[in-house]
Amino acid sequence: TQLLEQSPQFLSIQEGENLTVYCNSSSVFSSLQWYRQEPGEGPVLLVTVVTGGEVKKLKRLTFQFGDARKDSSLHITAAQPGDTGLYLCAGADSGGTSYGKLTFGQGTILTVHP
Amino acid sequence: EAGVAQSPRYKIIEKRQSVAFWCNPISGHATLYWYQQILGQGPKLLIQFQNNGVVDDSQLPKDRFSAERLKGVDSTLKIQPAKLEDSAVYLCASSFTRGTGGSETQYFGPGTRLLVL
Repeated sequence: TQLLEQSPQFLSIQEGENLTVYCNSSSVFSSLQWYRQEPGEGPVLLVTVVTGGEVKKLKRLTFQFGDARKDSSLHITAAQPGDTGLYLCAGADSGGTSYGKLTFGQGTILTVHP
Repeated sequence: EAGVAQSPRYKIIEKRQSVAFWCNPISGHATLYWYQQILGQGPKLLIQFQNNGVVDDSQLPKDRFSAERLKGVDSTLKIQPAKLEDSAVYLCASSFTRGTGGSETQYFGPGTRLLVL
């Protein structure tokens, strides 16, 4: 069974601060996705990283996939109250009938105070 | 483009009762997923359909949960009888499925919040 561990589980910061969320596993994934989920809504995809060592930027968000494709990080620069939400990482299987199957981490609840 | 639709949005039942959830995926999406998200946890895949066939139901508690997608479009998930530990958000997602595997985008519906008393 593939497991993804996210840390920290909770993060409460002031507007303008930087933060990093980590996603770690002992398993190798074909790709890793980051989602953001707001209360009462389903998760929304932010980014997919596929290649080991890949770095992707989305405005103030920077996503990195580990060289061995077992871990990933999400860094937010100058956080804003609008960044508040649940951040989920999800690893994707690639083989056979499991393709498309996602294994989610437990999530990081981020609160950014004005 | 309309998103994934789910109903009802909220449901409160007593234990041992039955309940059903409905999902209508994005038009043209061949793959449909049902997830269970317990408070404080990430979503857990219950069942994955491609068209009207089951691809993966390894984590579906088959003694009480069932799901169908008869015409390869919308789907229903049923719980009978419900237990207290079934209280969760049930998320439906769909993807186009281009056959490339692994990195395809899944689009989630808003979920159905179930409370079992």
